Amino acid sequence: EAQVTQNPRYLITVTGKKLTVTCSQNMNHEYMSWYRQDPGLGLRQIYYSMNVEVTDKGDVPEGYKVSRKEKRNFPLILESPSPNQTSLYFCASSFQGRGEQFFGPGTRLTVL
Amino acid sequence: DAKTTQPNSMESNEEEPVHLPCNHSTISGTDYIHWYRQLPSQGPEYVIHGLTSNVNNRMASLAIAEDRKSSTLILHRATLRDAAVYYCILRAFETSGSRLTFGEGTQLTVNP
Repeated sequence: EAQVTQNPRYLITVTGKKLTVTCSQNMNHEYMSWYRQDPGLGLRQIYYSMNVEVTDKGDVPEGYKVSRKEKRNFPLILESPSPNQTSLYFCASSFQGRGEQFFGPGTRLTVL
Repeated sequence: DAKTTQPNSMESNEEEPVHLPCNHSTISGTDYIHWYRQLPSQGPEYVIHGLTSNVNNRMASLAIAEDRKSSTLILHRATLRDAAVYYCILRAFETSGSRLTFGEGTQLTVNP
């Protein structure tokens, strides 16, 4: 089944403790992206990647890092999480960055 | 990005058609009109997109006004599973980024 998977689905952590949210897709898509969703602000893009070893900032990249060493994986790294990064995070992928975007199920992160 | 305006909420009865409007008076000639929906506790899901002509797929129809300043997503027979937030998004035909700028969308309630 074609899908985007994220892990973990739920995470509660404390300020400053580094964490990684993994994202994987099995559709051989070049394009992958991370969004965060907050009440009243909609979904906002954090980072995106057009292909392996190619990443770029989205609208709200501060406090986040990403890497794209393999085509199928696009982990989101929070080196020093803060409470304002408490949010619902979605990973998405698409073919060549223009087509339909497929979203993962989301990761709900709480930073205390 | 050009802005879209949607009603905050709409209600429908099961098995009746639903017309979800979207205004985008500042749309540019190269903007595609995309619709996504988000079911409770899930990631956004692609519904349909178009440029100028009306479009149909297995999920819905998209009717685009001749001046392209508005569009309507049509669900031909609403089911309880169609209860979701529906987002109308303008996306430029660009070579990189593929950012989807989500607004607040329309919360569709389907009554049995």
